Amino acid sequence: DGGITQSPKYLFRKEGQNVTLSCEQNLNHDAMYWYRQDPGQGLRLIYYSQIVNDFQKGDIAEGYSVSREKKESFPLTVTSAQKNPTAFYLCASSWTSDTEAFFGQGTRLTVV
Amino acid sequence: KQEVTQIPAALSVPEGENLVLNCSFTDSAIYNLQWFRQDPGKGLTSLLLIQSSQREQTSGRLNASLDKSSGRSTLYIAASQPGDSATYLCAVRPNSGYALNFGKGTSLLVTP
Repeated sequence: DGGITQSPKYLFRKEGQNVTLSCEQNLNHDAMYWYRQDPGQGLRLIYYSQIVNDFQKGDIAEGYSVSREKKESFPLTVTSAQKNPTAFYLCASSWTSDTEAFFGQGTRLTVV
Repeated sequence: KQEVTQIPAALSVPEGENLVLNCSFTDSAIYNLQWFRQDPGKGLTSLLLIQSSQREQTSGRLNASLDKSSGRSTLYIAASQPGDSATYLCAVRPNSGYALNFGKGTSLLVTP
């Protein structure tokens, strides 16, 4: 089945620890995105990538990093510099930046 | 910056009713508008995509309209069912940007 796979579904981070969220797609899409969702707020863009080996900061990139070494993969690292990382993280992809976007099932990150 | 507003924030209707969800955006320079459904703790499911040159799109019991000049879109759900209970999100892709701008959503409850 074609789609976007995010893992893990739940993730717990200790203070001062870096963690990496996985996002893999087999839709052959060029563009990929990371969004953060907090209760009562709309989705906010963290990073996006239009093609392999290229990515751009979104509205709330501080404390996060990404890489795009392969077309199908766009991992997100939440660093210790992100002071309030507890949230629901959603990965998305599309053929290009102006076509229909499809989302994964999300990763819920909690700081313990 | 593009602002997207969804009204109402929450809606409860009895099964069988037809209903309308509203979305407004501040900048009419958009490439397209997309409606999504989100179930609790899950990712987003794409429902309908309307290109800026289109007036409406239909899928089954769903019909979405777009009036770009007035900055408005509506999602019409016919003959609502309890399975339609979810949060509905509206997102616009601006001409000048590469990612979607989201509203905060309308939480819909359809009671048997």
